[in-house]
Amino acid sequence: SQQGEEDPQALSIQEGENATMNCSYKTSINNLQWYRQNSGRGLVHLILIRSNEREKHSGRLRVTLDTSKKSSSLLITASRAADTASYFCATDVGFGNEKLTFGTGTRLTIIP
Amino acid sequence: SQTIHQWPATLVQPVGSPLSLECTVEGTSNPNLYWYRQAAGRGLQLLFYSVGIGQISSEVPQNLSASRPQDRQFILSSKKLLLSDSGFYLCAWDRVNSPLHFGNGTRLTVT
Repeated sequence: SQQGEEDPQALSIQEGENATMNCSYKTSINNLQWYRQNSGRGLVHLILIRSNEREKHSGRLRVTLDTSKKSSSLLITASRAADTASYFCATDVGFGNEKLTFGTGTRLTIIP
Repeated sequence: SQTIHQWPATLVQPVGSPLSLECTVEGTSNPNLYWYRQAAGRGLQLLFYSVGIGQISSEVPQNLSASRPQDRQFILSSKKLLLSDSGFYLCAWDRVNSPLHFGNGTRLTVT
């Protein structure tokens, strides 16, 4: 099964609201990364959080990591229509990106 | 700045035909290069990665092969496509301790 599992699989919210996506994983990690994928395009790296970090911010993005629960969350504040995309978490167990394991993603739709 | 080019963007091929997808990276040297496949509604599956010219690691035994003839060129090939090879193929690069940078993908439909 996937190392990373996102929840929910799909999320629709009104523009301006906050969106929260969760990622759970099974084994110890070196870092966890979040990527965004617009429909029919490649993935874009959003943020990386290391195993010794608990929270990280980048603009309207806030990522938390709870290694005791083996889970992470991605919060997008003040959502915009342009945030409509799929969001994937990816876990690095310490061997570099060649061993990065991607989850199945959360499909986020922002309703104008 | 670094850029990654992947082509073609879409491809429709009959079963049994050969395949060649190309990926090139500009603006960096000696990158690690990756080929991923994404099935509809699924996460990414790593197919091949390369840490240098002629060095290819295969993650999933299958109908596909990869080659790296030049430092910033990565090619995904097949001699005979299967229906199950349909999917969205993504090339990516990185350097040590950096995130992955993806191309815009090739949508392959095998008919």
